[in-house]
Amino acid sequence: QVQLVESGGGVVQPGKSLRLSCAASGFTFSDYPMHWVRQAPDKGLEWVAVISSDGSIEYYGDSVKGRFTISRDISTLYLQMNSLRVEDTAVYYCARGKSITGLLDYWGQGTLVTVSS
Amino acid sequence: QSVLTQPPSVSAAPGQKVTISCSGSNSNIGDYYVSWYQQLPGAAPKLLIYDNNKRPSGIPDRFSGSKSGTSATLGITGLQTGDEADYYCGAWDSSLSAGVFGTGTNVAVL
Repeated sequence: QVQLVESGGGVVQPGKSLRLSCAASGFTFSDYPMHWVRQAPDKGLEWVAVISSDGSIEYYGDSVKGRFTISRDISTLYLQMNSLRVEDTAVYYCARGKSITGLLDYWGQGTLVTVSS
Repeated sequence: QSVLTQPPSVSAAPGQKVTISCSGSNSNIGDYYVSWYQQLPGAAPKLLIYDNNKRPSGIPDRFSGSKSGTSATLGITGLQTGDEADYYCGAWDSSLSAGVFGTGTNVAVL
């Protein structure tokens, strides 16, 4: 049973940092690329970043490039978020990818990040 | 700003059919497979269609997908109240080197 459980969300001031985690279980984590997708309140889905199965390749959306860093270890996906802005407020989902450019077949339940002074 | 364009909403009576369009460009839909995701109220998105027209295990055949050129379409037949949700198309974009989603379509069952 594939499970993805996000954690680390919360309220943070603009300009500060936060690190999200996504604990994976039920599959061979090192075989799959992993993605972060976010959804601002009452808005649509926005793709954030992807990391290859071996961690050697990363891509980022324009709105987070240079501020966010995706990484992974043996069973956990991370998103280090620096220089946070009010517009980064969203529910952040981790998702398993079949390939870097392909479908997202399993999603976590999401963790809410609120950037506010 | 979403790269893929969908209608904001569609609606139909129970048992009827709806179609949702997803319009993109050569650098995304034109070059890559399209996926569709269903997001029920208050829930995380769920994969509904992948590789343009394939259904994951457990997804009923009332849901179908197709692609032509730089556009894709999701079809739902035999509409049920449980189908009320937001639907998003998704693909990779080679110009952006990034994933992209559609603007999202809300399906209402009248």
